[in-house]
Amino acid sequence: GAVVSQHPSWVICKSGTSVKIECRSLDFQATTMFWYRQFPKQSLMLMATSNEGSKATYEQGVEKDKFLINHASLTLSTLTVTSAHPEDSSFYICSARAFMDRRLEQYFGPGTRLTVT
Amino acid sequence: GQNIDQPTEMTATEGAIVQINCTYQTSGFNGLFWYQQHAGEAPTFLSYNVLDGLEEKGRFSSFLSRSKGYSYLLLKELQMKDSASYLCAVSAKAAGNKLTFGGGTRVLVKP
Repeated sequence: GAVVSQHPSWVICKSGTSVKIECRSLDFQATTMFWYRQFPKQSLMLMATSNEGSKATYEQGVEKDKFLINHASLTLSTLTVTSAHPEDSSFYICSARAFMDRRLEQYFGPGTRLTVT
Repeated sequence: GQNIDQPTEMTATEGAIVQINCTYQTSGFNGLFWYQQHAGEAPTFLSYNVLDGLEEKGRFSSFLSRSKGYSYLLLKELQMKDSASYLCAVSAKAAGNKLTFGGGTRVLVKP
């Protein structure tokens, strides 16, 4: 299957600082990228949908000024958690979607575990 | 809105077969995905069905019936490493083609 990478794998930061997470589709061009958040023992929660060259579409309740998404190319999207607070500590996972062999496929990155102290 | 239901938990024995059912109600169905997620890790892609029928991929098979709003994931020759959560997710035009996930089915494989 296709490969999606995320960097960093984990990060610890102090309250009030910003953290940038990178998501790359390594061997395919993604038509759309998604950002999810998952708290322990809970389902994946979609935060935003991102298409290359256009503004991200945020889900209800997700602050766009706090979670900045930049989709610079068909293979790279970044999520910046601005002024992070302990309640932002979570597992952030990106996902990339593309048509492959006329089939729609969507792959997840390995996730970034963010801990805000 | 969309509604996706799957059992919360299933237990099976190593070497056995387990079938995880998923029912959904949606508008503008655009495909159904199955993912495997081990604790503390991101989901990994297992299958995608958009047409009715059975798709087989090694020990894993996925079935779809669009008229019934029903899918299942079949895991054969269970191994201990198959213990994980299995997520059913539906893509629908009504939701802007975003994936809507079921709550996941936690499968526990016992020796």
